[in-house]
Amino acid sequence: EDKVVQSPLSLVVHEGDTVTLNCSYEVTNFRSLLWYKQEKKAPTFLFMLTSSGIEKKSGRLSSILDKKELFSILNITATQTGDSAVYLCAVLDNAGNMLTFGGGTRLMVKP
Amino acid sequence: DSGVTQTPKHLITATGQRVTLRCSPRSGDLSVYWYQQSLDQGLQFLIQYYNGEERAKGNILERFSAQQFPDLHSELNLSSLELGDSALYFCASSVAGGLAGTDTQYFGPGTRLTVL
Repeated sequence: EDKVVQSPLSLVVHEGDTVTLNCSYEVTNFRSLLWYKQEKKAPTFLFMLTSSGIEKKSGRLSSILDKKELFSILNITATQTGDSAVYLCAVLDNAGNMLTFGGGTRLMVKP
Repeated sequence: DSGVTQTPKHLITATGQRVTLRCSPRSGDLSVYWYQQSLDQGLQFLIQYYNGEERAKGNILERFSAQQFPDLHSELNLSSLELGDSALYFCASSVAGGLAGTDTQYFGPGTRLTVL
């Protein structure tokens, strides 16, 4: 059975701190790994990673994938209170149809 | 705003009842996905439709069914509801649903179902 595990479960930091969120996976047919941010309702798309070692960056957020060790990290630098959310990691199967989600990391950024 | 719309936002019903959740994908997207998010199970894939046809099935109960109509909107039907069906139900859409390599799924705001 495909499995996606995220750590830590939750994290409390202060504004300006840098955080690293982890995602490891065991899937039979891997195509891509995706990161989503979920605030109050719908997950919003952050990154899709398909190739190992290539960093994707968007402002203060960046992410990288290691397909040999089967994990990905999401980094957030200079955190702000608006970064408070649950961050979800998901793996897309080879057919490109199904996302298997991890349990999420709940990030709280205090002023 | 992802462009995916879902109705209703909230639904409260009793055990044993049947409900229908509705989803309209982003303009131009042919694929619709349904997910269930509960506190104990996290976000779980239920089913995918592409251009009116079922494409992939995940952990969907037999009491649940879905369809996608010619105008590409989709409905998720939940019947013989149980307390454990209380959850957030999300719809997502993508351009091609696997055919286009790595197209992204964009999520709607969800429908919160409470079964009493």
